[in-house]
Amino acid sequence: DSGVTQTPKHLITATGQRVTLRCSPRSGDLSVYWYQQSLDQGLQFLIHYYNGEERAKGNILERFSAQQFPDLHSELNLSSLELGDSALYFCASSVGGGGAVVETQYFGPGTRLLVL
Amino acid sequence: AQSVSQHNHHVILSEAASLELGCNYSYGGTVNLFWYVQYPGQHLQLLLKYFSGDPLVKGIKGFEAEFIKSKFSFNLRKPSVQWSDTAEYFCAVNALTGNQFYFGTGTSLTVIP
Repeated sequence: DSGVTQTPKHLITATGQRVTLRCSPRSGDLSVYWYQQSLDQGLQFLIHYYNGEERAKGNILERFSAQQFPDLHSELNLSSLELGDSALYFCASSVGGGGAVVETQYFGPGTRLLVL
Repeated sequence: AQSVSQHNHHVILSEAASLELGCNYSYGGTVNLFWYVQYPGQHLQLLLKYFSGDPLVKGIKGFEAEFIKSKFSFNLRKPSVQWSDTAEYFCAVNALTGNQFYFGTGTSLTVIP
């Protein structure tokens, strides 16, 4: 158990819908990272938040957005869902990550999203 | 575009065989390097990491990796694998400029008892 929790574990929805994935970091961790893992593209970095502020953006679509709240939990919002958005979405956390040196990331169990 | 290449998609070994998984990246700047492992039904967890210093890094469970800057490589090794090493292995690169993260597509290792 990494100490990172993600809800829900599974999510089935229809195309065009909007969903919200939730991540709670390990106690004391200030950074949250979101990743998408699909069969055809592997693990893709989406976005990184540090202490409530966006720090880096990866391959995140405009239909997707995220935020980190004052209690440090984070939400990833996926809208206008398409079939291709079906994937495993991981969240990871680390103690630091606000500067140039990156801490070890601890991964959650993931949320499996199926868009029908 | 930056990328991380893991040349072996699926590796099958017998117990006690030696393991080497390749990882190459394309990024010219300063990087941090990682190997993660995902055991069946479990979450990703860190095997080892390289930030600076000795390019030969030792991780958990007898794994090690060598950073060869001139070859842009960070290959993972273990002298003698066990059945419990059956898992998916991911190489990852953190490019410090822009603080971007790139993962390889993973190598599935099956160890036969």
